[in-house]
Amino acid sequence: GAGVSQSPSNKVTEKGKDVELRCDPISGHTALYWYRQSLGQGLEFLIYFQGNSAPDKSGLPSDRFSAERTGGSVSTLTIQRTQQEDSAVYLCASSHGRPWNTEAFFGQGTRLTVV
Amino acid sequence: DQQVKQNSPSLSVQEGRISILNCDYTNSMFDYFLWYKKYPAEGPTFLISISSIKDKNEDGRFTVFLNKSAKHLSLHIVPSQPGDSAVYFCAASASDKLIFGTGTRLQVFP
Repeated sequence: GAGVSQSPSNKVTEKGKDVELRCDPISGHTALYWYRQSLGQGLEFLIYFQGNSAPDKSGLPSDRFSAERTGGSVSTLTIQRTQQEDSAVYLCASSHGRPWNTEAFFGQGTRLTVV
Repeated sequence: DQQVKQNSPSLSVQEGRISILNCDYTNSMFDYFLWYKKYPAEGPTFLISISSIKDKNEDGRFTVFLNKSAKHLSLHIVPSQPGDSAVYFCAASASDKLIFGTGTRLQVFP
């Protein structure tokens, strides 16, 4: 596609349920990033993929969070047993990869609300 | 540990005047810096970047200045326009991971 696509755009879920967020990066971009923005906060790094591997998972807040990327393209971020503090906008970005001298393009985000 | 800091959460500037957004960082290994702009309900969009080997990069109304000794960078917008009203994030990287600041909300009023 022309840009980074994320789905769903909005998700309301009950506490304790699992959710899956999807990111379709720009075609040909090898690097893919997940960030989240909680209310009034900056952009918090979650995980980075280079191709299908994730060399940096250091930002995942807990073992309830996991992510995978298949075929060097689509990525899914899964949150198990959601908690209210998981409520945030989850943003995906992609770029050509190393080095970081080309900009990353962001999707519009998925707004997750845990009730 | 906030490696990239934007200490001003908001800034209000009159149309036509200069907007100066500031950013400080702590990691001396950062070698690339970027500014992003974010409108409500949209993802951040890239604005301008600078490599650590430079101290200034200019693109139209936007100029980014880097002071490595002070670990400080700034974004200048001249002249400011109402359409510039948005949240501005600075970001820095040492390898592949972008570290973002908390953002500064700029409001340009007529």
